[in-house]
Amino acid sequence: RKEVEQDPGPFNVPEGATVAFNCTYSNSASQSFFWYRQDCRKEPKLLMSVYSSGNEDGRFTAQLNRASQYISLLIRDSKLSDSATYLCVLYSSASKIIFGSGTRLSIRP
Amino acid sequence: GAGVSQSPSNKVTEKGKDVELRCDPISGHTALYWYRQSLGQGLEFLIYFQGNSAPDKSGLPSDRFSAERTGGSVSTLTIQRTQQEDSAVYLCASSRDTPEQYFGPGTRLTVT
Repeated sequence: RKEVEQDPGPFNVPEGATVAFNCTYSNSASQSFFWYRQDCRKEPKLLMSVYSSGNEDGRFTAQLNRASQYISLLIRDSKLSDSATYLCVLYSSASKIIFGSGTRLSIRP
Repeated sequence: GAGVSQSPSNKVTEKGKDVELRCDPISGHTALYWYRQSLGQGLEFLIYFQGNSAPDKSGLPSDRFSAERTGGSVSTLTIQRTQQEDSAVYLCASSRDTPEQYFGPGTRLTVT
């Protein structure tokens, strides 16, 4: 089983829709969790950290479920500019950072 | 402020040649990471530096790959006797005391 698994997508949704995707992980020792966003042919950029209590940043909500070992990202009122690949990232130690292979999101007008 | 910079941005080399890729991290960032990303694939961890030392080299694909970091700042990734399967984007990232990483724009390596 992969340490981190993401649905590769693509998720194709209309502008204004709400979309959510999950990332499951197998290592219960994972300490910190993040969502990064990567635009086509660009470097990944940190989108948000994921806290145990769940956290929100504008239209984005991240949640962590340690019991079921997954994190989620929900995007409300999606914009065309949200089209990107979303990478979940797990951190167990400085040398144990695992990137998921990403979920592609495409927002259509 | 200045972000992570990498050079060259693009490199085309012939199979069998050596290449050197450079990364300038954000000033004050003690941790530096190298990753490789093939087209349409996820990030593959290569090596991590804390200061000038590399506690974890486990991700280096073969002994043709090596990396060093001097002065706790600039890092170079060297690939000897390049092969076509080395073609990828090589990304460098740095961080301070937290796991959040800041990535450079990458070096796109093409081995012909």
